[in-house]
Amino acid sequence: RKEVEQDPGPFNVPEGATVAFNCTYSNSASQSFFWYRQDCRKEPKLLMSVYSSGNEDGRFTAQLNRASQYISLLIRDSKLSDSATYLCVVKVTGGFKTIFGAGTRLFVKA
Amino acid sequence: EAEVAQSPRYKITEKSQAVAFWCDPISGHATLYWYRQILGQGPELLVQFQDESVVDDSQLPKDRFSAERLKGVDSTLKIQPAELGDSAMYLCASSLEVAAGYGNEQFFGPGTRLTVL
Repeated sequence: RKEVEQDPGPFNVPEGATVAFNCTYSNSASQSFFWYRQDCRKEPKLLMSVYSSGNEDGRFTAQLNRASQYISLLIRDSKLSDSATYLCVVKVTGGFKTIFGAGTRLFVKA
Repeated sequence: EAEVAQSPRYKITEKSQAVAFWCDPISGHATLYWYRQILGQGPELLVQFQDESVVDDSQLPKDRFSAERLKGVDSTLKIQPAELGDSAMYLCASSLEVAAGYGNEQFFGPGTRLTVL
């Protein structure tokens, strides 16, 4: 079993739709959680950190469920420009291990 | 806005040759990471530095890969000899790491795309 697992997709949604991704992690010592966005052949860019209390930034909402060991990302009112791969990142306690998921591909169509 | 710099952006080499990549992190960032990303996969951590010290190189193929960060600022990743399977994007990232759980967002450079023929 992979330490961080994501549904690879692709998710194909129309503009204006709401879409949600989940990411599960296996190490209970995981401490920090992030969502990154990666455009084709570009570097990953930080989308948002995920806090225990959840985090919202405009159309994007991230949640953490420690009991079930998953994090989620909700995108409301999808835009064409949201088309990208969304990477889940988990950092284990001690700060010395960072694990990326394989990513979930999102296509938003007009 | 401060950025992570990497060079070269693209590198084409023949197998068995040596290649080297350079990274200059965001000023003041103590932690530097080198990742390898194969198309369709997430980045895989190769090595992590805290200042000039290696804190994790468990996934670095040490028979052919080496990394250094001599003065705790910029860093070099070397492959010698390169193999066909090394073709990938090599990404450098840095983070502030003020304390455990704080300031540990990573910021990535544009990457070096390596093609081994």
